[in-house]
Amino acid sequence: SQQGEEDPQALSIQEGENATMNCSYKTSINNLQWYRQNSGRGLVHLILIRSNEREKHSGRLRVTLDTSKKSSSLLITASRAADTASYFCATEGQGAQKLVFGQGTRLTINP
Amino acid sequence: NAGVTQTPKFQVLKTGQSMTLQCAQDMNHEYMSWYRQDPGMGLRLIHYSVGAGITDQGEVPNGYNVSRSTTEDFPLRLLSAAPSQTSVYFCASRARQGLWPQHFGDGTRLSIL
Repeated sequence: SQQGEEDPQALSIQEGENATMNCSYKTSINNLQWYRQNSGRGLVHLILIRSNEREKHSGRLRVTLDTSKKSSSLLITASRAADTASYFCATEGQGAQKLVFGQGTRLTINP
Repeated sequence: NAGVTQTPKFQVLKTGQSMTLQCAQDMNHEYMSWYRQDPGMGLRLIHYSVGAGITDQGEVPNGYNVSRSTTEDFPLRLLSAAPSQTSVYFCASRARQGLWPQHFGDGTRLSIL
């Protein structure tokens, strides 16, 4: 069964705008990770946030984690055409040592 | 480093045929895993291995076998292909349990007719 639920399923914005994607999960976690998948390619790790962290930044990426609501968000600022891809959240459950993926958000950046 | 290499990239099989999807990594990673990706369902774990000689089942193991005779290779075998196994298969590796990130291959697109 899927752990993460992502929202929205698809998002289309203009280049230069910010993109926000949300992820909800069901059980306690050790960490939550975000991955990007370009069309026809494998997943690429973007950022990991641990359960005791609330916010993390990496370049134009900002991730927040609210363990009380079992939710996370990924913000991409100043979007570029090259950001067009599918984005997946994945959680490592406590004691699980395995990743469980959400269904993904398909992001399209229009020039 | 090549990272995680999967072969073949594309394959078409007939129902009942068997085949092996190959996965190799050159990063000396202990942990390797296989996922399948179906439309609208994200990635689901099939089998994983925490080191040579050790394998375990994931979320959707039925119809698949794995073995791990070397650190580098982790092949996935379809015993008797079924149309429900039409999917994109991804192999991934990471240094060991508890260490991230996980590195993915570019996938094998498999169609079962």
